[in-house]
Amino acid sequence: GAGVSQSPSNKVTEKGKDVELRCDPISGHTALYWYRQSLGQGLEFLIYFQGNSAPDKSGLPSDRFSAERTGGSVSTLTIQRTQQEDSAVYLCASSSGQNGGANVLTFGAGSRLTVL
Amino acid sequence: QKEVEQDPGPLSVPEGAIVSLNCTYSNSAFQYFMWYRQYSRKGPELLMYTYSSGNKEDGRFTAQVDKSSKYISLFIRDSQPSDSATYLCAMRLSGGYNKLIFGAGTRLAVHP
Repeated sequence: GAGVSQSPSNKVTEKGKDVELRCDPISGHTALYWYRQSLGQGLEFLIYFQGNSAPDKSGLPSDRFSAERTGGSVSTLTIQRTQQEDSAVYLCASSSGQNGGANVLTFGAGSRLTVL
Repeated sequence: QKEVEQDPGPLSVPEGAIVSLNCTYSNSAFQYFMWYRQYSRKGPELLMYTYSSGNKEDGRFTAQVDKSSKYISLFIRDSQPSDSATYLCAMRLSGGYNKLIFGAGTRLAVHP
């Protein structure tokens, strides 16, 4: 597609439930990133995938968070046993690695998660 | 201490004003510096990026990087109500697909 697509745009869940958030990156982009944005906070890096390399999971806040990227394209971020502090906007971005090395990220509109 | 510090504002200015947005950082190895703009309920979009130190101009926007002071700035001339948004600075190391480290974002309101 023309841009990065994320679904659902909004998700309300009960504490303790599992949630899955989906990201469709720009076609041909080899790198995919997940960030989290809490109210009034900047973007917190979670994980990134680059081609067939092992993902950089250094930003995942706990083992309740996991992500996979199938076929080098679509990615799913899974949060198990959700807690209220997981409430945030989860942003996905993709990159082609071009732009003279700047590695410009194109973001989706985000998935807003509310844990009651 | 966060790697990238940015005053969250909010910053309120009249239309036509010159706006100065700033970030400081602690990692001297950062080489790429970016400014993203984020409208309410939207994802961030890239405004400008610079490599290493120096200035870069694009229309009403000017980005400055002072690596000796670990300080970056974004100037907006002749600000418009449509510039009202949150401005996020971001930076990363050189090479490959290294992750971007973001500031907290400064919320800007330009009133007519």
